[in-house]
Amino acid sequence: AQKVTQAQTEISVVEKEDVTLDCVYETRDTTYYLFWYKQPPSGELVFLIRRNSFDEQNEISGRYSWNFQKSTSSFNFTITASQVVDSAVYFCALIISSGSARQLTFGSGTQLTVLP
Amino acid sequence: KAGVTQTPRYLIKTRGQQVTLSCSPISGHRSVSWYQQTPGQGLQFLFEYFSETQRNKGNFPGRFSGRQFSNSRSEMNVSTLELGDSALYLCASSRRPRDRPHEQYFGPGTRLTVT
Repeated sequence: AQKVTQAQTEISVVEKEDVTLDCVYETRDTTYYLFWYKQPPSGELVFLIRRNSFDEQNEISGRYSWNFQKSTSSFNFTITASQVVDSAVYFCALIISSGSARQLTFGSGTQLTVLP
Repeated sequence: KAGVTQTPRYLIKTRGQQVTLSCSPISGHRSVSWYQQTPGQGLQFLFEYFSETQRNKGNFPGRFSGRQFSNSRSEMNVSTLELGDSALYLCASSRRPRDRPHEQYFGPGTRLTVT
């Protein structure tokens, strides 16, 4: 079975600070995909990024960056120079590529509050 | 390009009643998945439909069911509602599940309150 752990339940930062959201996953499959979603107060889950298990290249997209390390089963997400609009719940999720368990397994989410 | 739409957005039902929620995927997307989000259990997978067939089902009782139509629109039904069914029900669409998993795009959800 798959498992995603987001140990940080809540994080508060002051605007312009950098913040890293941690995600640790467990799976026996060698082919899998990792996702980050953002859920603002409106409720809709917004897709941010997908990474497959064969692509450990880290990426920077604007103020967002991701650090994927298979050796530690981690897929962390960093927001640089945070803004109030970044306040939301962030979910890390995992899906394996084979078999019947092809549903997204979500972590419990991290509530990020960016204070002005 | 229109996103995933879900109707209704809010719903209040009484214990014992049944409810039907609707989801229209993004145009061209043929796979629809449903998730339940509660404060206690978080986001949990309900089921996935592709080409009008249920391909995958989460660990939920038989009171939860769904279907998909030929135009890829999907409905989920919950019979004999219980207080614990109060949740945000999210629908997600993706192009197809058979190949590499594509990102799933979520709708705004239906907030169901059972009293």
